[in-house]
Amino acid sequence: EVQLVESGGGLVQPGGSLRLSCAASGFTLSSYSMNWVRQAPGKGLEWLSIISGGSGTIYYADSVKGRFTISTDNGKNSLFLQMNSLKAEDTSVYYCAKGLSSGGGAFDRWGQGTMVTVSS
Amino acid sequence: EIVLTQSPGTLSLSPGERATLSCRASQSVRSTYLAWYQQSPDQAPRLLIYGASSRATGIPDRFSGSGSGTDFTLTISRLEPEDFAVYYCQQYGSTPLTFGGGTKVEIK
Repeated sequence: EVQLVESGGGLVQPGGSLRLSCAASGFTLSSYSMNWVRQAPGKGLEWLSIISGGSGTIYYADSVKGRFTISTDNGKNSLFLQMNSLKAEDTSVYYCAKGLSSGGGAFDRWGQGTMVTVSS
Repeated sequence: EIVLTQSPGTLSLSPGERATLSCRASQSVRSTYLAWYQQSPDQAPRLLIYGASSRATGIPDRFSGSGSGTDFTLTISRLEPEDFAVYYCQQYGSTPLTFGGGTKVEIK
């Protein structure tokens, strides 16, 4: 069974850093594109970043470019999001999501989400 | 960036009724790379439709998608109690990938 489990969320001060993890099971991470998506409390979905399977091509939303870094560890079958210079507006539930194909595609599996709160 | 505008914001219907949700793009969506997701309270989104009209695995056939270019529609033929939720469209044909603002389908 395909499963994604996020971890690493929590409370962090403005300007701080946090590293989110997404452990994948039931499929080989490197064969699919993987994404990070967030949802601020009571708001809609915001796509943040994608890493393609195989080539590892990476794209970011402008809102996080230069502050967030997506990466994978194929040995651990895991996806990561390093978040630096955090702001109050980064407060959200963060989801990892699997693409339908190595190059992209719609998101056919989602994790349960991990909450990140940026506050002093 | 492709902006997706969903309408209406809220749809008030009764179980058994037909729901029609709209998603309009600010520019043509490449190769109909348009998806629909359902999100119930305190749950992660679930993929319903991809490629504008293909149902995802395990999705009941009361859900259907149509459209191309800049105008897309999600139709739920007869609402079941579990269908009352928020629905998002998404384009994944060009970066940045973008989501619409969502349509809430509520019980009338």
